[in-house]
Amino acid sequence: GAVVSQHPSWVICKSGTSVKIECRSLDFQATTMFWYRQFPKQSLMLMATSNEGSKATYEQGVEKDKFLINHASLTLSTLTVTSAHPEDSSFYICSARDRRGKTEAFFGQGTRLTVV
Amino acid sequence: AQTVTQSQPEMSVQEAETVTLSCTYDTSESDYYLFWYKQPPSRQMILVIRQEAYKQQNATENRFSVNFQKAAKSFSLKISDSQLGDAAMYFCAYGGSQGNLIFGKGTKLSVKP
Repeated sequence: GAVVSQHPSWVICKSGTSVKIECRSLDFQATTMFWYRQFPKQSLMLMATSNEGSKATYEQGVEKDKFLINHASLTLSTLTVTSAHPEDSSFYICSARDRRGKTEAFFGQGTRLTVV
Repeated sequence: AQTVTQSQPEMSVQEAETVTLSCTYDTSESDYYLFWYKQPPSRQMILVIRQEAYKQQNATENRFSVNFQKAAKSFSLKISDSQLGDAAMYFCAYGGSQGNLIFGKGTKLSVKP
């Protein structure tokens, strides 16, 4: 089955620093990847849609300058949380869809970010 | 805009019994997909079952089946012969033309031995 690898699985950083999260599709090519954020005991909320070779599309209320997304290849998208603050602490999950148009989205393992 | 509503924050079922999780959605699209995802404590999202809106037949995956009522915009999940490993958060999700998924708030399922 299709595998999406997300790294790191958890990270602790100091307030004011930046953190990069990687999302890789290991056995398929993904023209589109999605980044979600999940607060404790809440649902997944779409942050942005990452398109290979073009700018990401951000959901309303998501700061594009704070959450930088790069989708440089068909198998890799990165989310960089810039100048992180404690309120950015959350669980971030990526998902990817096969470029061949299959309907199922495959999820990474998620990244637990803690900003201290 | 599409919305997904799960009205049961928590559900409980006895091991080996059957439980049904409810989900309703709203959309103006005619072509879409519906999903149930399981999220155990590890927080890995696991696809349980998928339904194409154009198919009238309800999807079934082993002990998991759905009751898809398109006109009513209802998509419930039935878990038969519940097992301890079924305990998790269950999210109903809508997949439309944009490709992203819209999730309900989730239902926490507990399985009693």
